[in-house]
Amino acid sequence: DSGVTQTPKHLITATGQRVTLRCSPRSGDLSVYWYQQSLDQGLQFLIQYYNGEERAKGNILERFSAQQFPDLHSELNLSSLELGDSALYFCASSGRDLNTEAFFGQGTRLTVV
Amino acid sequence: AQTVTQSQPEMSVQEAETVTLSCTYDTSESDYYLFWYKQPPSRQMILVIRQEAYKQQNATENRFSVNFQKAAKSFSLKISDSQLGDAAMYFCAYRSALGNQFYFGTGTSLTVIP
Repeated sequence: DSGVTQTPKHLITATGQRVTLRCSPRSGDLSVYWYQQSLDQGLQFLIQYYNGEERAKGNILERFSAQQFPDLHSELNLSSLELGDSALYFCASSGRDLNTEAFFGQGTRLTVV
Repeated sequence: AQTVTQSQPEMSVQEAETVTLSCTYDTSESDYYLFWYKQPPSRQMILVIRQEAYKQQNATENRFSVNFQKAAKSFSLKISDSQLGDAAMYFCAYRSALGNQFYFGTGTSLTVIP
């Protein structure tokens, strides 16, 4: 168990809809990262938050947004969903020390039908 | 931005044999950290091994070891005595000592042949 919790584990929704993915980082971790992994693809970095502030942004679509709350949990909002948004969405967290790895949650598998 | 390259999309190894997965990276920084992650069919991301750039000694974790060549910006993973459970996608990752962001390679899919 990595200590990173993602909910829900699975999500099936229709095109055009909006969903929210939730992530609780490991206790004490200030950084949260979101990644998208399509079938048989690598990890696409979406966005990073550090202690409530956006730190880095990757290939995140304008239809997607995220935030990190004061209790450090994070939410990734996906709107106007398209079939191509079907993927595994990972949340990861890391600690204050720069020599620590990213700890990954089990992912949310999103299926858009 | 830093880039991480894994030039072997797929590799295979006979059970009990040794296999080496390649990873190169591009950076102008002198202090950073490197990681190998394993993603089995369950899709869980599991840390295999990590290497601090300031350490010359190659990291080792049981059957897993790395060959870290800082000047060549190379960070390969050697798996000895391969087991069926080693079959997975392996990702190489870079983390700057200055910032928090992680950069991942595109992955190498490892098949272990019984």
